[in-house]
This record gives sequence, structure tokens and C-alpha cells, in this order.
Amino acid sequence: DTGVSQDPRHKITKRGQNVTFRCDPISEHNRLYWYRQTLGQGPEFLTYFQNEAQLEKSRLLSDRFSAERPKGSFSTLEIQRTEQGDSAMYLCASRHRGDLYSEAFFGQGTRLTVV
Amino acid sequence: DAKTTQPTSMDCAEGRAANLPCNHSTISGNEYVYWYRQIHSQGPQYIIHGLKNNETNEMASLIITEDRKSSTLILPHATLRDTAVYYCIVRTIIQGAQKLVFGQGTRLTINP
Repeated sequence: DTGVSQDPRHKITKRGQNVTFRCDPISEHNRLYWYRQTLGQGPEFLTYFQNEAQLEKSRLLSDRFSAERPKGSFSTLEIQRTEQGDSAMYLCASRHRGDLYSEAFFGQGTRLTVV
Repeated sequence: DAKTTQPTSMDCAEGRAANLPCNHSTISGNEYVYWYRQIHSQGPQYIIHGLKNNETNEMASLIITEDRKSSTLILPHATLRDTAVYYCIVRTIIQGAQKLVFGQGTRLTINP
């Protein structure tokens, strides 16, 4: 499968615990995005990487959230001290380099439930 | 990015054409219209995009009005697998994150 891969698909955690999600973009896609989607809403932008550089962060990305993309390949999104309000689907997307019109390819998402 | 307005939900009979409208009255000259859909429990999937001319691909057709203030996505022969939430998004093509700004979309139900 050469699509965007996210791991795990589902995560249940207790409030206050830290969680980390991984995203493997399509090979050679230098642009990587994280979105969050709550029930009944459209996805909301969290952050954007071009290669290894994190170039934009949403105000939704509180200081408990951190994202990395070492070496410009896979990316991780960590949430520290999880809260019930963090329960959502976390989506990763990637786009091809250099093409302003190219579409974003999304992974299947990681569904986080904080209990 | 410009905001879009879509009906909350629509129904369509299997085999018929599904026409999904979208208003984007504040669209600017460097913004394209993109359509994505999201089938239950999956990530969004790209369908089609356009600037001002009508576009067609293997999935759908996109009709954009001459003033670019609205558009219609057409699924010519809807099947049950087309049941999904459809998002109309306007996106700048200038440099920057070019992130997608999703609204609530239209929940399309294809009925047998």
C-alpha cells in the first residue's frame, strides 16, 4: 500500500496520560499536514511541515501538543497530559512537492478516546 | 481562505445524478474550488478541483458559474458507495501552507 499510513488506528487512554501518533506520508511527498476532526464536524488544520521544517501551527495546537518530522519523512504528533476534550480523530495528509495544485492524500486517521 | 456554504444534507436515488451545490461568493482570483468526500470512518478523499472552467474526471464533474461565486459537483450515476459527506473548499494556490479549510459539508445519502 503506497498511501498515507497512520498508526495506531485507535487509541484509548486515561486522562493525564501522554500519547503519540505516527504518520508515514506517501514517498517523496514533502508537504505533510495534521488535522483534527471531532464528531459531526469537518477536519480542522493543526500544523504543516515542508520537509522537516514545521512552517505553520494552528491556535488549536496548545502547548500540550507537539509535532515533529525528523529527516522530512515520517511525522509524530504527541499529546501530553491528555484531556477528555482531546478525544477526536487525528488525520494526517501529504502532498507532492512543487505542485501548487496538487491534491492532499489523507490517511485513515487515528481515533483517540480519552477516558 | 474564502468560506463556503453547502446544504447540510441531500438524498439521491441510486443510478440518478447527484448534484451538490456550493456557494463561495467571496472567492478571490487566486483561489481554486476543491471537492473532497469522506466516507464513514475514513480520511477525506480528493474528488476534483477547478478554477473557472468546467472540469470532468472519472469520478465527477465540476461546474463553476461564470462569476465563480458558486459551483456544483455532479456525480453522474450515483451508487450506494457514494454515500458520504462532501466538502466544498476554496484554496489559495499562492505560496504558503495551502491548508484545506473544511466546513461541515453536505451529507449525501444514496437510496436504493
